[in-house]
Amino acid sequence: DAGVTQSPTHLIKTRGQQVTLRCSPKSGHDTVSWYQQALGQGPQFIFQYYEEEERQRGNFPDRFSGHQFPNYSSELNVNALLLGDSALYLCASSSRDRGQETQYFGPGTRLLVL
Amino acid sequence: SQQGEEDPQALSIQEGENATMNCSYKTSINNLQWYRQNSGRGLVHLILIRSNEREKHSGRLRVTLDTSKKSSSLLITASRAADTASYFCATRDFGNEKLTFGTGTRLTIIP
Repeated sequence: DAGVTQSPTHLIKTRGQQVTLRCSPKSGHDTVSWYQQALGQGPQFIFQYYEEEERQRGNFPDRFSGHQFPNYSSELNVNALLLGDSALYLCASSSRDRGQETQYFGPGTRLLVL
Repeated sequence: SQQGEEDPQALSIQEGENATMNCSYKTSINNLQWYRQNSGRGLVHLILIRSNEREKHSGRLRVTLDTSKKSSSLLITASRAADTASYFCATRDFGNEKLTFGTGTRLTIIP
């Protein structure tokens, strides 16, 4: 049973560019959440997708957007990258239909903005 | 914003000793969860405790929750070198899907 997978593992971009990160949830999960983790900090919630809609959003600007596909996989897009966007981006999946409270995390994508 | 504060920020103990880390939070919660993170990679779920529970065990882990003090503790007994990692508490509020993480405790087990 494959867990949560994310791609790519590492990414280097320059300021002003755009980036797309991808996440495939654990089998049987229908909900995907994205988190940003700066160095030395705890993860911070960006948003959550369920039934292809953004259900909840954290305190992040509109430069951060996402999408969920019919197969439950998800993308996180960040436009107009800033140096401060350098972080580990974590995807987590869960099953809202099953009332599952535990979120299972992928290995993350480490983004460096130069 | 961070919900909780873990205490201590860093902890080093000898292998075989017990490790205790604490977490404080600010809001009324539905549940509190503890996660482990190795070397800045993905988070591994350890244990979940609901707001109406006071104590929970899982293998070498023991978690307590005091909702009146808005605090939780994680005890790892008989520590092993493989327990070296960062540990985070995360809370989930009622009617809220997101997890709000604390700042983490970096645990080092000395062989």
